[in-house]
Amino acid sequence: QVQLVESGGGMVQPGGSLRLLCAASGFAFNSYGIHWVRQAPGKGLEWVAFIRHDGGDEYYAESVKGRFKISRDNSRNTVHLQMDPLRLEDTAMYFCAKDHETHEPKGDFFSSWGQGTLVTVSS
Amino acid sequence: DIQMTQSPSSVSASVGDRVTITCRASQGVGNWLAWYQQKPRKAPKLLIYAASSLQSGVPSRFSGSGSGTEFTLTISSLQPEDFATYYCQQADIYPYTFGQGTKLEIK
Repeated sequence: QVQLVESGGGMVQPGGSLRLLCAASGFAFNSYGIHWVRQAPGKGLEWVAFIRHDGGDEYYAESVKGRFKISRDNSRNTVHLQMDPLRLEDTAMYFCAKDHETHEPKGDFFSSWGQGTLVTVSS
Repeated sequence: DIQMTQSPSSVSASVGDRVTITCRASQGVGNWLAWYQQKPRKAPKLLIYAASSLQSGVPSRFSGSGSGTEFTLTISSLQPEDFATYYCQQADIYPYTFGQGTKLEIK
C-alpha cells in the first residue's frame, strides 16, 4: 500500500536550517509529483512546495521562495525539503503528499499523505 | 493568489443529518477543486477530486458539485466518524490554496 513517511523535524533557532525527508513506498514513485504542505499549530493547511515526477520542475509558495529547496532522488524513492534560513512563522507540522494522477506536469490533488514531521522555530 | 472561502466556518449537526459546505474561489478554477477531511492530530484525507469525483474507498454519502467559482460538499447522512474539519483546495494555478476549513461538530 502507498506509504509516505516524513522525518527530520525538530526544534531550531531562527536563522537555522533543517532538512526534511519524505520516504515513499508502495507505488511507482518516479511517476508521481510530490508536494509539501504545512499546518501551523491550530491553523489551516498551507501548500509549500511541489516537485514534478522527474524532478524537472518545481514550484514554491511565496512565503518560502528563496529559502526552501525541494529535491528528489528517484533511485531512493525520497524527497527532501531543505529549509534555510528558518523563521518563527515556519513553525508547523510538515506533511508530504503525492499527486493523484501520474505524470501531471504541474501537479494536481493530494491523494496520499504522510503522518507529518513537526518543525519548531524558537529562540 | 486565488482565495478560497468556505462557509460556514463551523456547523453543528446530528447523526443522520444532511450537511452541505460551500467553497467559493476568488476566480474561476474550472473543476480543479478537491475536498479533504482532517481529524485531530491526523493527516488530511482526500475525499473528492476534480470537483465531483469520489476518491477510491470514500463512502458514497460524500458528494461534490460545482465548477468555476462555486463548489459544494454534501454529506447525505452524517455518521459518527464524519465529525471532523473539512477543507477545499484549488489545484488550477500556483500557489495552490486551501479554504480556511469548516469544523463539523456534534449537536
